Amino acid sequence: AQSVAQPEDQVNVAEGNPLTVKCTYSVSGNPYLFWYVQYPNRGLQFLLKYITGDNLVKGSYGFEAEFNKSQTSFHLKKPSALVSDSALYFCAVRDLGAGSYQLTFGKGTKLSVIP
Amino acid sequence: NAGVTQTPKFRVLKTGQSMTLLCAQDMNHEYMYWYRQDPGMGLRLIHYSVGEGTTAKGEVPDGYNVSRLKKQNFLLGLESAAPSQTSVYFCASGGQSLHGYTFGSGTRLTVV
Repeated sequence: AQSVAQPEDQVNVAEGNPLTVKCTYSVSGNPYLFWYVQYPNRGLQFLLKYITGDNLVKGSYGFEAEFNKSQTSFHLKKPSALVSDSALYFCAVRDLGAGSYQLTFGKGTKLSVIP
Repeated sequence: NAGVTQTPKFRVLKTGQSMTLLCAQDMNHEYMYWYRQDPGMGLRLIHYSVGEGTTAKGEVPDGYNVSRLKKQNFLLGLESAAPSQTSVYFCASGGQSLHGYTFGSGTRLTVV
């Protein structure tokens, strides 16, 4: 079975500071990993994905994520937070190695960037 | 614009009523998914489809049915609505090329 954990319900960071939103996953095979962002009353927007290759993945709006196989983590990062980054962030995984078609999401982390 | 379209955007049902939510995509994607989003629960998979004519159960399938008669459409049905089905429902689609999944803007359903 595949699963995702986002250990923090909320992350607060001051504008201009670096931010990290944590995600760990569990799969039996090779993971296909995503980050999505959701603004209030909107659908989910794709930020970035990891399939294979370079462990540091760059995505939209200056976000990046680091894949760490030994720690089974895929943390989302940004060097300098903006107030407009305040939103709900979801990590998701699909177990490619197990031939899964299901995309499983974490519970989400609310990011608040304080001016 | 290419993407995933969900109808309706809002709906209020009485307990016991039935309804169908429609999801349509124009990206020729093989995979389609229905999720529900509840506070503190994240997104939970209801049903999904890996191709025309196929459907499979997800994490929370009870009380819902789905159909994928055409590749571009994925319908979610509520047979007899219950207050516990009050939620925001999202449809998503994805292709075999693994470029990512595209989400619709959601349907906010209230069952009273």
